[in-house]
Amino acid sequence: GQQLNQSPQSMFIQEGEDVSMNCTSSSIFNTWLWYKQDPGEGPVLLIALYKAGELTSNGRLTAQFGITRKDSFLNISASIPSDVGIYFCAGQADYKLSFGAGTTVTVRA
Amino acid sequence: DSGVTQTPKHLITATGQRVTLRCSPRSGDLSVYWYQQSLDQGLQFLIQYYNGEERAKGNILERFSAQQFPDLHSELNLSSLELGDSALYFCASSASGASYNEQFFGPGTRLTVL
Repeated sequence: GQQLNQSPQSMFIQEGEDVSMNCTSSSIFNTWLWYKQDPGEGPVLLIALYKAGELTSNGRLTAQFGITRKDSFLNISASIPSDVGIYFCAGQADYKLSFGAGTTVTVRA
Repeated sequence: DSGVTQTPKHLITATGQRVTLRCSPRSGDLSVYWYQQSLDQGLQFLIQYYNGEERAKGNILERFSAQQFPDLHSELNLSSLELGDSALYFCASSASGASYNEQFFGPGTRLTVL
């Protein structure tokens, strides 16, 4: 499948801080999706992006679909303890979803 | 709760055995997708079914097969199991088979092969 490069791999953040993570790919995608996965659970959809340049918010989350269709970023503002988890980007093309390796977020109280 | 259900939640079996994982999509969703998540490979797309027919194939081994039934539930069959098949297996569903549809994931089945 297509290779997605997600960074950073992990981050420790202070409660109240803003967080940013991104994904890049050598391939073009029709859709970018951001998921959060808690231990032992399935990924939960946070934000879906459908058009190049699209900027979408969901509460404290904001994500953008890159103009080139090969990248996307996710911002979390004013982080709280329940933001802990693994965040995955996913690019969709040809009915297939390709996932990044994930960003593990740990919040320091 | 995504509305996607998977059974069983945990499965422990031995090498060489065969198991069947079951998935029920969200009400009204026609597409079902299967994924494997392991520590070294991350989340890997295996296969997609749309309204009973295979739509797309990913990194699915020949020892694995799937099907989607008329009631739209799906089963993933894993045979001649190897230690390396131990992983979390997720099912996801979407409203249609379109490549831009959002996919919603079930809670997963944790398979342990001893």
